[in-house]
Amino acid sequence: QQQVKQSPQSLIVQKGGISIINCAYENTAFDYFPWYQQFPGKGPALLIAIRPDVSEKKEGRFTISFNKSAKQFSLHIMDSQPGDSATYFCAASSQTGANNLFFGTGTRLTVIP
Amino acid sequence: NAGVTQTPKFQVLKTGQSMTLQCAQDMNHNSMYWYRQDPGMGLRLIYYSASEGTTDKGEVPNGYNVSRLNKREFSLRLESAAPSQTSVYFCASRGTGARETQYFGPGTRLLVL
Repeated sequence: QQQVKQSPQSLIVQKGGISIINCAYENTAFDYFPWYQQFPGKGPALLIAIRPDVSEKKEGRFTISFNKSAKQFSLHIMDSQPGDSATYFCAASSQTGANNLFFGTGTRLTVIP
Repeated sequence: NAGVTQTPKFQVLKTGQSMTLQCAQDMNHNSMYWYRQDPGMGLRLIYYSASEGTTDKGEVPNGYNVSRLNKREFSLRLESAAPSQTSVYFCASRGTGARETQYFGPGTRLLVL
């Protein structure tokens, strides 16, 4: 049973375009939502994270949008670059639990020059 | 400051063989984790250790054992490897705060024939 559902599985975007990856969850106890970026042959690395007390967080070209009532959150990559080509994972955790992360299944992003 | 290191990088086993995956972190983190990553499945938690001397099962613990040797080291053991354990294994560590980032190692690619 996947606690965090992620879509799409893969995404191809032209350079300069906007990449959008979506995630949904059911557990209302989740209160921390990070996004991880993984390049081939490497471990995942934290990209950006949000807490449910805000609806949006922006860091450079990366923005998380959060909809608490819909239990959905998404990653937007503005002005996508070939160097952004990687696999992206959303995740969620609950401070009331063991603080363990539950990951989505990942989105492989390819940015075409 | 190496962060999280894992050995070996790659291993081939025959069904029934045993092996231990090693993980060490130099960030003085209390919590450490073992994940497996399979195509289309994201990262799934095998075992975790919230502090030195404690270990707990994650989502997919069957067929694995762990040892938190000291604060720095957390090993994962496969007693009798099966082809279903073919995967990429990641170790991660996290500091004490509720919203501390998990830092991942580079991974161990395991093939069980």
